[in-house]
Amino acid sequence: AQSVSQHNHHVILSEAASLELGCNYSYGGTVNLFWYVQYPGQHLQLLLKYFSGDPLVKGIKGFEAEFIKSKFSFNLRKPSVQWSDTAEYFCAVKSGSARQLTFGSGTQLTVLP
Amino acid sequence: GAGVSQSPRYKVTKRGQDVALRCDPISGHVSLYWYRQALGQGPEFLTYFNYEAQQDKSGLPNDRFSAERPEGSISTLTIQRTEQRDSAMYRCASSSDPSARELFFGEGSRLTVL
Repeated sequence: AQSVSQHNHHVILSEAASLELGCNYSYGGTVNLFWYVQYPGQHLQLLLKYFSGDPLVKGIKGFEAEFIKSKFSFNLRKPSVQWSDTAEYFCAVKSGSARQLTFGSGTQLTVLP
Repeated sequence: GAGVSQSPRYKVTKRGQDVALRCDPISGHVSLYWYRQALGQGPEFLTYFNYEAQQDKSGLPNDRFSAERPEGSISTLTIQRTEQRDSAMYRCASSSDPSARELFFGEGSRLTVL
């Protein structure tokens, strides 16, 4: 069975700091990769996704993620965070033939003004 | 509606009672998913439908859990004889295509079993 690991449970940054959230998955076949975000009081929403092609994916609000197949990783990055980026971030994986997503346990990001 | 709607948003019940959680997906969305999220964890897959057909229920933890989507739109997740360990956020998501390239989530139903 596939699994997803997010090693950082809580990250605290000051505004303008750079962000990198780790995500590793265990599945040897074709995968689709996602980052979802949940802002305080809101529902989960898609930040970005990778299906094929360029392994560097750009999403909304200046976020990007890089798929490194050899490392089974899909880390999320942002060069300069804002207070409004405070949220919980979830990495998710879908194996090629499956329909359901497997989520990591999430990383709570707190950005200090 | 504009988004996925779930009700009730909060449900507190006593152990042994049955509960029904409702999900109204985005109009026209083919696929509907149920996930459960325990505190401090990510969402875990329960079951999903394409139209009215339940395609996969492998994530339902036991036979106290069931789900239906009789007309291919609104879905109900039912938990019979609730137990304290059923306390969690129950999330519904819908997708416009069966390959689930993007899921749209509702705000969730927070269930607390006393």
